Amino acid sequence: SQTIHQWPATLVQPVGSPLSLECTVEGTSNPNLYWYRQAAGRGLQLLFYSVGIGQISSEVPQNLSASRPQDRQFILSSKKLLLSDSGFYLCAWKREDTEAFFGQGTRLTVV
Amino acid sequence: GNSVTQMEGPVTLSEEAFLTINCTYTATGYPSLFWYVQYPGEGLQLLLKATKADDKGSNKGFEATYRKETTSFHLEKGSVQVSDSAVYFCALRPNDYKLSFGAGTTVTVRA
Repeated sequence: SQTIHQWPATLVQPVGSPLSLECTVEGTSNPNLYWYRQAAGRGLQLLFYSVGIGQISSEVPQNLSASRPQDRQFILSSKKLLLSDSGFYLCAWKREDTEAFFGQGTRLTVV
Repeated sequence: GNSVTQMEGPVTLSEEAFLTINCTYTATGYPSLFWYVQYPGEGLQLLLKATKADDKGSNKGFEATYRKETTSFHLEKGSVQVSDSAVYFCALRPNDYKLSFGAGTTVTVRA
């Protein structure tokens, strides 16, 4: 069966520090991968998606970047965090013939 | 473009009450429609889906019917339980790559 791992579960980082959130998928190959952000009191915003290794599409301009170094690995990064980067980050995967499957999320607090 | 508008919350109900969460969408073509649920501190899980007009998705006592004429996919449950307390997201999939979400509706069921 397929599983998706996302870590860490919670993170508190100071303003200006770097960020690296990792997401890995097991049990499937060549998935589409997604990073969403859920800000407090708001819905889900698609940040990045990837249809293959090294292929990243950015949905909104921001202080974050994404990379896909391996087929089932998706990384969300920042060189310098801002207060406004605080939120709940969700990784997801899907294939053309499936629904989307979400990780447990990372609660990021920038202080 | 593609977008989803869902009823704003929060919604507070008593156990065994009837729940309706309205969802309307804007899309070109014939998107698939979904309801996802997010329990406290967790990622999203698929609740139900419908892939074509007049389809009814159902799961755990929840139902939603894909109404193309009104571009709606309202979620209903006849008798809610405390365990139904969660955030509910309406979503549409316009193509194989993207999944667009509504803002989410927080539902709290009191005993």
